[in-house]
Amino acid sequence: QKEVEQNSGPLSVPEGAIASLNCTYSDRGSQSFFWYRQYSGKSPELIMFIYSNGDKEDGRFTAQLNKASQYVSLLIRDSQPSDSATYLCAGLDRGSTLGRLYFGRGTQLTVWP
Amino acid sequence: DAGVTQSPTHLIKTRGQQVTLRCSPKSGHDTVSWYQQALGQGPQFIFQYYEEEERQRGNFPDRFSGHQFPNYSSELNVNALWLGDSALYLCASSLAGVEDTQYFGPGTRLTVL
Repeated sequence: QKEVEQNSGPLSVPEGAIASLNCTYSDRGSQSFFWYRQYSGKSPELIMFIYSNGDKEDGRFTAQLNKASQYVSLLIRDSQPSDSATYLCAGLDRGSTLGRLYFGRGTQLTVWP
Repeated sequence: DAGVTQSPTHLIKTRGQQVTLRCSPKSGHDTVSWYQQALGQGPQFIFQYYEEEERQRGNFPDRFSGHQFPNYSSELNVNALWLGDSALYLCASSLAGVEDTQYFGPGTRLTVL
């Protein structure tokens, strides 16, 4: 059973601060990881994906992957109240040529003005 | 560019009934995956369709079945509904062999009374 562990939070940061979201995963064979943002009552929206060790930056978001430690993180710089949502970390279980996602329970982030 | 669409948005059923949910993948995508998200949990993989066949299946009973049509759209059927089936049902589309990223539709909120 492949698992992703996330701190459910809630994580609360002031506007303009850096929010740091973390997850660990159980399957050392997983190569690809995804961060989704989910607003209350809505569906998950892809923020970033990362395949390689190290950092990947996209605007205010930076994803980090450390395969040796089986650790994935998402940093949100200059946090805005509109970033308040649940952030889901997911790994890709590639059983064959097709992959399926396995998710953590999500971390609830609140950015207060 | 049309994104993933799902219908209906909301559905209320009673125990023992049957339900059919529908999904159209993002333009250019050929693979549809279905996920169930209970309140406060991360999405759980139900099954995946590619080339009109079920390719992978998660830990869900046979009451859950599906279909994929030649135009890549898909249906999820659930028989003998029980209270525990109440959840947000998510459809995600991707392009097999090219892109691992899965994009989610808006979801169908199923309530079983």
